[in-house]
Amino acid sequence: AQSVTQLDSQVPVFEEAPVELRCNYSSSVSVYLFWYVQYPNQGLQLLLKYLSGSTLVKGINGFEAEFNKSQTSFHLRKPSVHISDTAEYFCAVSDPFSGGYNKLIFGAGTRLAVHP
Amino acid sequence: NAGVTQTPKFQVLKTGQSMTLQCAQDMNHEYMSWYRQDPGMGLRLIHYSVGAGITDQGEVPNGYNVSRSTTEDFPLRLLSAAPSQTSVYFCASSYGGDFAKNIQYFGAGTRLSVL
Repeated sequence: AQSVTQLDSQVPVFEEAPVELRCNYSSSVSVYLFWYVQYPNQGLQLLLKYLSGSTLVKGINGFEAEFNKSQTSFHLRKPSVHISDTAEYFCAVSDPFSGGYNKLIFGAGTRLAVHP
Repeated sequence: NAGVTQTPKFQVLKTGQSMTLQCAQDMNHEYMSWYRQDPGMGLRLIHYSVGAGITDQGEVPNGYNVSRSTTEDFPLRLLSAAPSQTSVYFCASSYGGDFAKNIQYFGAGTRLSVL
């Protein structure tokens, strides 16, 4: 079964600094990959997704992620963070060939704290 | 512009009590699902539905029942609450079940404590 590992439970960073949130998934022939963001006391919101094609995916709010098949990674990056980016970020995977394309497997989450 | 609405926002139960968490969406989405979110574990799928009258189990279905009599509503029932069910519950919906094509929209969550 698929699994997702988010390597950092918390990432503190200063405003306007770059940030990378790391995500690794268990190996599979082909997967769909997602990043979601959860602001305090809200539900999850899709940031970006990788289905196929270009390995660099751009999302909302200036975030981007790079799919690396050989390392089974899908790290999320932003070149300059704002206070408003403070939130919890979840990496998720869907395996389209195991009958589970309608089931998302989530990582444990990374709490990003942006300090002034 | 309601989207996915969950009620209640907070609930405290005693062990053995029953309750229903409500979820409604106004986007005419076929696919709906329930997740629970626990610290350090991310979200885990409890049950999902691909349309009215059709439901299926997710990763952690034990202790929960669902039904889908209308497209709009997908209630989650706890028949006999246990402390292990203390969690934050999220309902989500999408136009279809293929998340490669369809974005899932999440409700704001229900925070449940079982004493």
